[in-house]
Amino acid sequence: GQQLNQSPQSMFIQEGEDVSMNCTSSSIFNTWLWYKQDPGEGPVLLIALYKAGELTSNGRLTAQFGITRKDSFLNISASIPSDVGIYFCAESGNQFYFGTGTSLTVIP
Amino acid sequence: DTGVSQDPRHKITKRGQNVTFRCDPISEHNRLYWYRQTLGQGPEFLTYFQNEAQLEKSRLLSDRFSAERPKGSFSTLEIQRTEQGDSAMYLCASSGPGVDGYEQYFGPGTRLTVT
Repeated sequence: GQQLNQSPQSMFIQEGEDVSMNCTSSSIFNTWLWYKQDPGEGPVLLIALYKAGELTSNGRLTAQFGITRKDSFLNISASIPSDVGIYFCAESGNQFYFGTGTSLTVIP
Repeated sequence: DTGVSQDPRHKITKRGQNVTFRCDPISEHNRLYWYRQTLGQGPEFLTYFQNEAQLEKSRLLSDRFSAERPKGSFSTLEIQRTEQGDSAMYLCASSGPGVDGYEQYFGPGTRLTVT
């Protein structure tokens, strides 16, 4: 089946640093969603993207829908300890696929 | 709390037993989704309802699995003759009508352990 590949697989950063992660697909998507998941909990929606080239912010988070419609990027600025978790990209529309996840660890 | 709720949060069962999980979506949402998530993986789509109609089913949803949404509100997911490989987190999500209908909001999940 379809796979959304996320990179990096894991990140260890110092508090205050900026973070960048991305998600790629072999197929064109119409909708990109970014989620954060804490251990033992359901994913929490961070940002939704609907148009190629769209750039959307939510506080310290910024996400972009790639021009090719096959990729998306999530940036976190000035990371804080509560940013720790697993970040997933997802497609929701004609299909319902989640990425492989990026695990983020923030070192105080 | 008006978010998606799931019950129970945890279930331990013996192999061969049947289990049923419940999901209550956000009240105005007409779409409801079930996913399964194993450790270290992203959620995997199982099935999707629009109102009471089950519109999509993944090949992951074997004949031991059945989902219902009889009145277009809450949904149940039943697993018959559970196997150890069914151990996972079962997640429910809902989304509303309209242009933001693709934004899925998740419940806290039901963690199933089959011994």
